[in-house]
Amino acid sequence: GQSLEQPSEVTAVEGAIVQINCTYQTSGFYGLSWYQQHDGGAPTFLSYNALDGLEETGRFSSFLSRSDSYGYLLLQELQMKDSASYFCAVAGANNLFFGTGTRLTVIP
Amino acid sequence: GAGVSQTPSNKVTEKGKYVELRCDPISGHTALYWYRQSLGQGPEFLIYFQGTGAADDSGLPNDRFFAVRPEGSVSTLKIQRTERGDSAVYLCASSLGDAYNEQFFGPGTRLTVL
Repeated sequence: GQSLEQPSEVTAVEGAIVQINCTYQTSGFYGLSWYQQHDGGAPTFLSYNALDGLEETGRFSSFLSRSDSYGYLLLQELQMKDSASYFCAVAGANNLFFGTGTRLTVIP
Repeated sequence: GAGVSQTPSNKVTEKGKYVELRCDPISGHTALYWYRQSLGQGPEFLIYFQGTGAADDSGLPNDRFFAVRPEGSVSTLKIQRTERGDSAVYLCASSLGDAYNEQFFGPGTRLTVL
């Protein structure tokens, strides 16, 4: 089977840095994706890590350690519009298995 | 360009009825996925099409659920004898080729079974 664990809620201050962790147990692991979803909106792709290390895309970075079955999403210079749910998703042979998501609230 | 579109945006039906949900993927995307999402949960995989064929339907919960993609573009998710537990947001996504790690999602259809 597959399982993913990530914190259910995180609160951070505007302008700060926040890290959302994700641990997984799965067979047939190809990589770890991250998606953002605003309330009532569609999930949107943020990043994907197939190999160990850090991937940086603007204010967002994502990290993967395959040996530790662990990854994280790092959001820098937080803005109010970053308040949303963030999902890690394990990429299998031909689909994604999503976690339950972390609800990020950015406060002034 | 146009993104993934889904119709209807909302569907209210009665227990036992049949419903069809439509997905129009991004032009040129050969891969198409259906998910359902319940409140407070992540998207749950239902079925994956590569072209016209269902490459993986392991996520369909039972035989009341069926999906087609006859011409390799638009897809229809069909639910027979709906139950209250089927109430959820049904999401469709598409991707280029086998780039399943980067999927483009539609706005979803909110299905409510009374």
